[in-house]
Amino acid sequence: AQKITQTQPGMFVQEKEAVTLDCTYDTSDPSYGLFWYKQPSSGEMIFLIYQGSYDQQNATEGRYSLNFQKARKSANLVISASQLGDSAMYFCAMRGTSNFGNEKLTFGTGTRLTIIP
Amino acid sequence: NAGVMQNPRHLVRRRGQEARLRCSPMKGHSHVYWYRQLPEEGLKFMVYLQKENIIDESGMPKERFSAEFPKEGPSILRIQQVVRGDSAAYFCASSQEQVSNEQFFGPGTRLTVL
Repeated sequence: AQKITQTQPGMFVQEKEAVTLDCTYDTSDPSYGLFWYKQPSSGEMIFLIYQGSYDQQNATEGRYSLNFQKARKSANLVISASQLGDSAMYFCAMRGTSNFGNEKLTFGTGTRLTIIP
Repeated sequence: NAGVMQNPRHLVRRRGQEARLRCSPMKGHSHVYWYRQLPEEGLKFMVYLQKENIIDESGMPKERFSAEFPKEGPSILRIQQVVRGDSAAYFCASSQEQVSNEQFFGPGTRLTVL
C-alpha cells in the first residue's frame, strides 16, 4: 500500500519569499512517481511537477522545484519568489508501478498556502 | 486539442435520486480514472477503466456506485439513491497507453445532495 503524508494543513508566506511544502511518502514499489498538483479556489486540479524515483536530478519547472530525498522518502515542493496567485491548496501524490499500466494516484491531504501581500 | 471534459460541472440531487456524471477523456486517451474529493480532503481513487473494461474498482463503494466506459461515448459514473454523504467533487482523469509523467484531470463535477 502507498501512503502520502502532508503535515502542514496551512501555511502563510510573505509575497516574494520562497516556500517549501512538505511531503513524505511510503511505498514498497521499487519504482514510483511523485506529483504535485495545485488546486485554486475555482476547484480544478493543475499539474505542477513530476519526479520519477530513478531520475538522477531533482525536477524543476519554472518557479517550482522538487527537493527529492529518496533515502528520507521525502518529495518537498519548493516555490521560489512566491506570488499572490500561488495562494491555493497543494497536493502531493504518488503513482506506483506494481501494476503496470494502472496509473492511479494516491493523494495526501493537502496544504493550504496563503500568500500575504 | 481539448482537455478532459466533465459534465455537468454542478449537479444538485435530492436524497434517493440518481446522479450521472460524465467524463470525456482527452483525444487519444483510452484510460480513465475517477476520484472523489470530500470537502477539505484530498482526492481518493475510485475506479480505473479502459474501453469496455473495469480494470480496478478497489476504491468504489460496494453499493449504489457503478462506472462504465463504453466503446463509444463518455465514461459514466453513476450513483443510485444518493445520500448526503455523497456530496463531493468528482474528478475524472485520463492517460494514454504508456506510463506517462502526467495524469490529465478534468474540471470536476460538484455534486450536492439536499
